[in-house]
Amino acid sequence: AQSVAQPEDQVNVAEGNPLTVKCTYSVSGNPYLFWYVQYPNRGLQFLLKYITGDNLVKGSYGFEAEFNKSQTSFHLKKPSALVSDSALYFCAVRDGGAGSYQLTFGKGTKLSVIP
Amino acid sequence: KAGVTQTPRYLIKTRGQQVTLSCSPISGHRSVSWYQQTPGQGLQFLFEYFSETQRNKGNFPGRFSGRQFSNSRSEMNVSTLELGDSALYLCASSLGDTKNTEAFFGQGTRLTVV
Repeated sequence: AQSVAQPEDQVNVAEGNPLTVKCTYSVSGNPYLFWYVQYPNRGLQFLLKYITGDNLVKGSYGFEAEFNKSQTSFHLKKPSALVSDSALYFCAVRDGGAGSYQLTFGKGTKLSVIP
Repeated sequence: KAGVTQTPRYLIKTRGQQVTLSCSPISGHRSVSWYQQTPGQGLQFLFEYFSETQRNKGNFPGRFSGRQFSNSRSEMNVSTLELGDSALYLCASSLGDTKNTEAFFGQGTRLTVV
């Protein structure tokens, strides 16, 4: 079975500081990893994904994520946080091997950027 | 290109009633997935349809059902509503033919059961 863990329910960061939102995963095959952001009363917006290749993936709005196979992690990062980045962030995984196409999400991390 | 459209945006239903939610995917997408989002449980997978066939199913009771039409539009039905069914129901579409493609979400339907 595949799973995602986001160990922090909430992350607070000062505007202008770098931010990291953590994610670890478990799959039996090769992982396909995704980050999404959700603003209040809205659906999820796709930020970036890792399929294969370069471990550092760049996405929308200045976000990037680092894939670490040995630590089974896929942490989301941004060099300089904006107040408008405050939202709920979800990490998701799909097993690239045989079997289900299901996309499994973590429980989400609430990011608050303090002015 | 139009995004994923979910209707209605808001619903209020009484316990015991049934409800049908609709999802129109992005043009060309053949996979539609449904999720239930609640503050306590996060995003829980209900089921996924691909080319009119249910391809994956989550751990929800049989009161939750769905279908997909030939134009890839999908409906989700919940019968005999319970208070605990109050949630944001999200629909996501993707190409569905390979596992490395991202899913795109609609804005959701907020269901309140009273």
